[in-house]
Amino acid sequence: EVQLVESGGGLVQPGGSLRLSCAASGFTFSSYAMSWVRQAPGKGLEWVSSITVSGGGTYYADSVKGRFTISRDNSKSTLYVQMNSLRAEDTALYYCAGGSSSSGWWFDSWGQGTLVTVSS
Amino acid sequence: EIVLTQSPATLSLSPGERATLSCRASQSVSNYLAWYQQRPGQAPRLLIYDASNRATGIPARFSGSGSGTDFTLTISSLEPEDFAVYYCQQRSNWPRTFGGGTKVEIK
Repeated sequence: EVQLVESGGGLVQPGGSLRLSCAASGFTFSSYAMSWVRQAPGKGLEWVSSITVSGGGTYYADSVKGRFTISRDNSKSTLYVQMNSLRAEDTALYYCAGGSSSSGWWFDSWGQGTLVTVSS
Repeated sequence: EIVLTQSPATLSLSPGERATLSCRASQSVSNYLAWYQQRPGQAPRLLIYDASNRATGIPARFSGSGSGTDFTLTISSLEPEDFAVYYCQQRSNWPRTFGGGTKVEIK
C-alpha cells in the first residue's frame, strides 16, 4: 500500500524556519517525481514545489522561490522542504504528493498533510 | 503562469443527477489536465488525468473531456460520496497551477 506521511509542521514566528519531511513506503520512491502542495485554511490547493526522480531538477512557485528548498533522499525514501523567512501567508496544510510515469507524472499519491502556522 | 478558471463555484444537485463541471485555461494546455476530488477533512484524490483517462480505481461514472483550453468533468449519476470539492490542475507549463475548485453540494 502506497503511504506518504508528512511531519515537521507546527507554530513558528514570522521570519522563522521549519523543515518538513515526507516519509514514503509501499512503492519505489526513486521512481516517483515528488511535490509539495499546500492549502490555506478554507482555501483551494496551491502547488508549491516539485523535484524530479533523481533530484536533479527542482521547481518552485514564485511565492516561495528563494525561501523554500525542496530535496529528497532516495536511500531513505524521504522528501523534504526547508522553509525559511516564513510569512503569515505561508500558513497552510502542506501535502506531499507524487506520481510516476505510469500515471503520467500526475499527483496520484498524497499524504494527509502537516499543518504549518506562522504567527507571532 | 497558466490560470485555470473553474465554473460554477458551487453546484447544487440531488443524488442521481448528472453533474457537469467546467475548467477553462488561459492558454492551451493540450491534454495535460487532471481532475482531483477532495472530500472534507481528506487529501485530494486523482480522478482523471491527461484530460480523459480515469485513474486507478475510479468508477466509470466519472469522465473527462476536452483539450486545449476547455475541459469538462462529468459525473453521470451522483452518489452520496461524490458530494465534495473538485479541482482541475495543469502540468503543461511551470508553475503547475490548480483551478479554484467547484463544490458539488446536496440540493
